[in-house]
Amino acid sequence: GQNIDQPTEMTATEGAIVQINCTYQTSGFNGLFWYQQHAGEAPTFLSYNVLDGLEEKGRFSSFLSRSKGYSYLLLKELQMKDSASYLCAVNQGGKLIFGQGTELSVKP
Amino acid sequence: EAGVTQFPSHSVIEKGQTVTLRCDPISGHDNLYWYRRVMGKEIKFLLHFVKESKQDESGMPNNRFLAERTGGTYSTLKVQPAELEDSGVYFCASSTRDSRTEAFFGQGTRLTVV
Repeated sequence: GQNIDQPTEMTATEGAIVQINCTYQTSGFNGLFWYQQHAGEAPTFLSYNVLDGLEEKGRFSSFLSRSKGYSYLLLKELQMKDSASYLCAVNQGGKLIFGQGTELSVKP
Repeated sequence: EAGVTQFPSHSVIEKGQTVTLRCDPISGHDNLYWYRRVMGKEIKFLLHFVKESKQDESGMPNNRFLAERTGGTYSTLKVQPAELEDSGVYFCASSTRDSRTEAFFGQGTRLTVV
């Protein structure tokens, strides 16, 4: 079967660092995406990892370990606008298998 | 450049009625995907077009759902007849030919069947 797990909710303070974890067990794997979704809006692309290691892009970084079926999204210098749902998704030849999403609340 | 657009943004229909959702992908994107998010659940894959051809429709719930992409441009998803459990947010996404590139999502159509 296909299984992608991520925490349902997280809370962090403005200016802090937060790490959102994602574990997966899927029948196929062509990389892992992280998307951000604000309420009522379209999911927007944050990062894509296909090889093991860390990808850094500004305040956002994403890590992948294929042997462990594990990824995380690291958000630094949190801002209030980072309050959103963060979606972990495994790529299977273009088709995405999503986790339930992590609702992040950033507090002042 | 326009992003992925979906119409309508909201739809409320009665059980047994028909609804047609439309998706206009980013121009030049061969891949078009439909997804659905039922309340409290994760976003789930419905089907995948490459141009006008159905590449994978393994996620379609049943034969009340019919998707088309005539001419390989916009796509429609028809639900006929609608049932209560069809309520949810229907997302469309498009991407270039390379399946390793990110998919761009529309804002979704919120369908409520009463």
